[in-house]
Amino acid sequence: GAVVSQHPSRVICKSGTSVKIECRSLDFQATTMFWYRQFPKKSLMLMATSNEGSKATYEQGVEKDKFLINHASLTLSTLTVTSAHPEDSSFYICSADNERGRGTKQFFGPGTRLTVL
Amino acid sequence: GQQVMQIPQYQHVQEGEDFTTYCNSSTTLSNIQWYKQRPGGHPVFLIQLVKSGEVKKQKRLTFQFGEAKKNSSLHITATQTTDVGTYFCAGDFGNEKLTFGTGTRLTIIP
Repeated sequence: GAVVSQHPSRVICKSGTSVKIECRSLDFQATTMFWYRQFPKKSLMLMATSNEGSKATYEQGVEKDKFLINHASLTLSTLTVTSAHPEDSSFYICSADNERGRGTKQFFGPGTRLTVL
Repeated sequence: GQQVMQIPQYQHVQEGEDFTTYCNSSTTLSNIQWYKQRPGGHPVFLIQLVKSGEVKKQKRLTFQFGEAKKNSSLHITATQTTDVGTYFCAGDFGNEKLTFGTGTRLTIIP
């Protein structure tokens, strides 16, 4: 099956710093990737849809200047949490859809646990 | 807005007992997907249901999609310790984005 990797798996940073998370599709091309946020024991909340070669589409309530998304190639999307604060601490998960437009399953990365001190 | 509700939130069962989780959407879905997330892990795709009234089976797991394409269920027969985790339904409202349900956390009592 399709494999999605995410790096780093865990990051601890000081308040005010920026953190970049990478999401890669390893064995397929993903024109679309999705970024989710998950709080402990809660569901996944879609943050944004990342489209290769164009601007990301953000969900309502998600600050685009706070969560910068770049999808520079068909296998890589990055999420940068700018000027992170403790309330940004969460589990960030990306997913990729390898059959865009057919409503098929998404393949999830292993997630990145961000802790902001 | 478009919402997907899931019940129960938690379920504790004796090993060998059956387990069911239910998913309800506020509006008609294009398709519904089910995922399993183990503690500390990431969601893993289980199945996708597309047709009204569809029923699919995977060994001890039975998935159903309602006639109105607004509700779905996952039933596990004779649970095993390996079934532990949180089961999420995720609805596609036709915009190719997934709206995840609230999840049902299953724990097994040996």
